[in-house]
Amino acid sequence: DQQVKQNSPSLSVQEGRISILNCDYTNSMFDYFLWYKKYPAEGPTFLISISSIKDKNEDGRFTVFLNKSAKHLSLHIVPSQPGDSAVYFCAASAMSNTGKLIFGQGTTLQVKP
Amino acid sequence: DAGVTQSPTHLIKTRGQHVTLRCSPISGHKSVSWYQQVLGQGPQFIFQYYEKEERGRGNFPDRFSARQFPNYSSELNVNALLLGDSALYLCASSLATAYQETQYFGPGTRLLVL
Repeated sequence: DQQVKQNSPSLSVQEGRISILNCDYTNSMFDYFLWYKKYPAEGPTFLISISSIKDKNEDGRFTVFLNKSAKHLSLHIVPSQPGDSAVYFCAASAMSNTGKLIFGQGTTLQVKP
Repeated sequence: DAGVTQSPTHLIKTRGQHVTLRCSPISGHKSVSWYQQVLGQGPQFIFQYYEKEERGRGNFPDRFSARQFPNYSSELNVNALLLGDSALYLCASSLATAYQETQYFGPGTRLLVL
């Protein structure tokens, strides 16, 4: 039972353009969402998070949007840079189950110079 | 400040053996969580420990166990290794187990079971 899904295994964008990574979830109890970036041979690095009381959170080039009615979130990277090339994971947690992050399968982003 | 550290970085074992993986959290963090990442999938939650007590357990068999020490470091033990236990094992630390605590990950231990 995949509660968090990233349906696009890969995404390729040109440097300077916008990257949009998508994530869907099925469990309505999820109320906190995070995005992590992972380079090969490294652990996931925290990027940005959003609580369910918000529909948008920005941090520099990264913006996360949350659509609770659609159970969908997205990560926008503007402008994309070659160093952003990595695997991106979305993760979700519920107040009732603190400490347990449920991850999607990941999307590999390639930013071409 | 040092981030989360894990040892060893790589490990090769044979079926039926036992393995111990170690994790040191970020200074000041009292909670440690363990995750298993199989190739092509996202990390899967195994355990969370806080103040030396187990606070959460994922859907893993009893062959998997863990503990946390007074200095908040942690060990993950896996007995009777199976080929399917080959994976990247990630440790994450957070300040506590409070709601909306961000977890910070270490580089992982890559385990290969032959």
